[in-house]
Amino acid sequence: KAGVTQTPRYLIKTRGQQVTLSCSPISGHRSVSWYQQTPGQGLQFLFEYFSETQRNKGNFPGRFSGRQFSNSRSEMNVSTLELGDSALYLCASSLAGGRLNEKLFFGSGTQLSVL
Amino acid sequence: QQQVKQSPQSLIVQKGGISIINCAYENTAFDYFPWYQQFPGKGPALLIAIRPDVSEKKEGRFTISFNKSAKQFSLHIMDSQPGDSDTYFCAASGGNTPLVFGKGTRLSVIA
Repeated sequence: KAGVTQTPRYLIKTRGQQVTLSCSPISGHRSVSWYQQTPGQGLQFLFEYFSETQRNKGNFPGRFSGRQFSNSRSEMNVSTLELGDSALYLCASSLAGGRLNEKLFFGSGTQLSVL
Repeated sequence: QQQVKQSPQSLIVQKGGISIINCAYENTAFDYFPWYQQFPGKGPALLIAIRPDVSEKKEGRFTISFNKSAKQFSLHIMDSQPGDSDTYFCAASGGNTPLVFGKGTRLSVIA
C-alpha cells in the first residue's frame, strides 16, 4: 500500500506570495490532518478534514486554509506569505473510522522557505 | 499553551543502555498517548501507544510507562542501539482535541 504522498517536496517563495501544498492520503483513509513543524515550536496542528468537511482547526491565522476533495486528497493554502511561515508542513492520514486522530500516518512533508 | 511537555530536549546514551524520555500533560480529557519517531527528512512514524486503562505497555525494546495520577508518561528504550538515534515525540489526544505533540527529544546512541 502506498504511503501518504505530499507534493512538492521543497518550495521557495517570497514574502507576500501564496502557496498551495498537496497531500494524497493512504488509500481508504478518509481523514487528513495538517501540521506545521518548526525547530522552535515543534509540531503544531493546523486543521483536520474528514469527508470533505473541516472537523477541527488549530490556532493559526485565516491566511492558512485547506480543503479536501471527494477522493480524500487534500490541499492547504497559505496566502500573503510571511518569513515566519518557513517550516516543514506535514500531512497525516488516518482511517478515522473510530476515534479522532488515532494512528496517524505522516507523509515526508513539504519544506517551505519564505525569503 | 503547551499541553504536552517533553523532556529532555536532547539525550546521549551509551550503546546497550536505557534511554528514558518523559512527558507530562495537563488536559485530563486526554486518553490516548502515542510516541512517534522521526527519521531525518521524513515525517513522524508511530512507534507505540498507550491508553490510561493500563500502566505499562511493552513492544520489543520499547516500553511506555503511564502514571495517570501524576499525568505523566514515559518512553523507555532498552538495549539502546546507534540505529535508535532519532528524534522522538510524545503526543496526546482525547475528546475533541486533535493530537498535540511534545517538542521532541533528540536521542543519540553512541558506541
